[in-house]
Amino acid sequence: ELKVEQNPLFLSMQEGKNYTIYCNYSTTSDRLYWYRQDPGKSLESLFVLLSNGAVKQEGRLMASLDTKARLSTLHITAAVHDLSATYFCAVQTSGSRLTFGEGTQLTVNP
Amino acid sequence: GAVVSQHPSWVICKSGTSVKIECRSLDFQATTMFWYRQFPKQSLMLMATSNEGSKATYEQGVEKDKFLINHASLTLSTLTVTSAHPEDSSFYICSARAPPGQGVPFTNEQFFGPGTRLTVL
Repeated sequence: ELKVEQNPLFLSMQEGKNYTIYCNYSTTSDRLYWYRQDPGKSLESLFVLLSNGAVKQEGRLMASLDTKARLSTLHITAAVHDLSATYFCAVQTSGSRLTFGEGTQLTVNP
Repeated sequence: GAVVSQHPSWVICKSGTSVKIECRSLDFQATTMFWYRQFPKQSLMLMATSNEGSKATYEQGVEKDKFLINHASLTLSTLTVTSAHPEDSSFYICSARAPPGQGVPFTNEQFFGPGTRLTVL
């Protein structure tokens, strides 16, 4: 059974600081996704990582994938309050099935 | 492109009644749709995979007679919660998979609906 683990589950950080969220998974995967979820809302797609060594950046967020280590990271640079949300990684396997991590609740304090 | 809608966005019902939730892919045809459930402060859990024209595949522990799924067309899947009880109160999210040739950036990517908040009294 595929397991997807995120670390940390809760993250409180100050504006302007940097931090990294980690996503470990237990079996080989077709691709990995990062999503953002605001309270009471559905998922917003952030990144799709397709292959080993993939790196994608959008604004203050950068995601990377190491398929050999079965590890993805979401790096936050110079955090701002608007980034406060819950972030999920999800691993896609055969049949397009997605298995989600537990989520990381990020709070950025002024 | 790749927009998925859900209706209703929220519903409150009495215990014992049935509730139907619709999931539509608005600008692409989805041969496969997925239904997820999310309890407060938890992650998304896949309930079932719905393929157009065939029976849904349910995840272990999900009662297929309680959560009826119908995928009658390439743009519509419905989830009916039968005889709902307070423990069924949750946020239900559907997603639709875009197969090859649909003009979306990533084949087989799932596009998520806005979710339906179900409260059973």
